[in-house]
Amino acid sequence: GENVEQHPSTLSVQEGDSAVIKCTYSDSASNYFPWYKQELGKGPQLIIDIRSNVGEKKDQRIAVTLNKTAKHFSLHITETQPEDSAVYFCAASKRGGADGLTFGKGTHLIIQP
Amino acid sequence: GAGVSQSPSNKVTEKGKDVELRCDPISGHTALYWYRQSLGQGLEFLIYFQGNSAPDKSGLPSDRFSAERTGESVSTLTIQRTQQEDSAVYLCASSLLQAYGYTFGSGTRLTVV
Repeated sequence: GENVEQHPSTLSVQEGDSAVIKCTYSDSASNYFPWYKQELGKGPQLIIDIRSNVGEKKDQRIAVTLNKTAKHFSLHITETQPEDSAVYFCAASKRGGADGLTFGKGTHLIIQP
Repeated sequence: GAGVSQSPSNKVTEKGKDVELRCDPISGHTALYWYRQSLGQGLEFLIYFQGNSAPDKSGLPSDRFSAERTGESVSTLTIQRTQQEDSAVYLCASSLLQAYGYTFGSGTRLTVV
């Protein structure tokens, strides 16, 4: 089955700096890679996703890159703000996630004022 | 409703008791998923319902776990003879058929004492 590794487990950055979280996956058939943000006491919220037919996707301060050959994908957050502090999860799936996602163990992002 | 609703939000139960967790998906979403999130861990897939098809139970950790769904609406996750290792946050998510991206509920925090 699919295995997703996520690094780092904790990331502390100064407000205004950039943050990068990296994930690797094992199943070359995976074709859908979402990223979720989870705030304390809440369920995960989808913030951006990418399909295997593209290499990069941006949405304002957030971007995701995908390297299918190396089987890794990354989340980039620029100009970080205090409200970016949360736990971020990457995930991978075949069939667009329709039959379940395999999640990484999460990254606790801390934005220092 | 506007989002995925889960109840109760918190449940404390004695070891050996049965518990029932409820999920109301977003209206019109045909796919419904249950995940388990243990302390400091990622999300573990439990079960998946798609329309009237037989559910994918491949993630259920033991035969003490079962789930039902009424048509394309409410789902209940039942844990029989609860054990301390069942303590976790149980998350429900729903999505459109073959859509990319789930919407999660806020979860039920289960504590077995």
